[in-house]
Amino acid sequence: AQSVTQLDSQVPVFEEAPVELRCNYSSSVSVYLFWYVQYPNQGLQLLLKYLSGSTLVKGINGFEAEFNKSQTSFHLRKPSVHISDTAEYFCAVSVIYGGATNKLIFGTGTLLAVQP
Amino acid sequence: DGGITQSPKYLFRKEGQNVTLSCEQNLNHDAMYWYRQDPGQGLRLIYYSQIVNDFQKGDIAEGYSVSREKKESFPLTVTSAQKNPTAFYLCASSRTSGNSNEQFFGPGTRLTVL
Repeated sequence: AQSVTQLDSQVPVFEEAPVELRCNYSSSVSVYLFWYVQYPNQGLQLLLKYLSGSTLVKGINGFEAEFNKSQTSFHLRKPSVHISDTAEYFCAVSVIYGGATNKLIFGTGTLLAVQP
Repeated sequence: DGGITQSPKYLFRKEGQNVTLSCEQNLNHDAMYWYRQDPGQGLRLIYYSQIVNDFQKGDIAEGYSVSREKKESFPLTVTSAQKNPTAFYLCASSRTSGNSNEQFFGPGTRLTVL
């Protein structure tokens, strides 16, 4: 069965510093990978996704992630964070479930806390 | 604008009462989903539907029920059988064809049982 592990429940960082949020997954088959962001009391917004092709994926708000098949990782990075990046970030794996529908398996989330 | 709407944003319920959460989408998506979010546990799938008049249980369906009478609508009922219903509930939708696999989320409903 597929699973997603986000090792860090909270990552504090100073403004303009670089950040990496870690995500590892387990799967015996090919997967699609996603990062979503959630601001307080809101729904989830897609940051970026990996379906195929280049392993370096660029998303919105200056974020990028690299798919590493040998390490089964999909870490999210940003070279310089802003206060407005403070939010919870979820990594997710997509599997085919019950036919055509794509079920997402979510990690437990990482709270990025940007400090001035 | 295309998107997903959920109502109400905040909902209070007394113990023993059933309550229905609304989810509507105008993205013309076939698939719709309900998730429950609790602190430190990520999102857990309650029910999903691939097509009108059809739905399947997710990982934590006990104490919940759904219907899918229209493509645009996928209401979730939290019944009195749900032992710990206080949580943030998120609705999502996606296509069922192609390889995008992206799910689009609504703004959520926060349910509090008093």
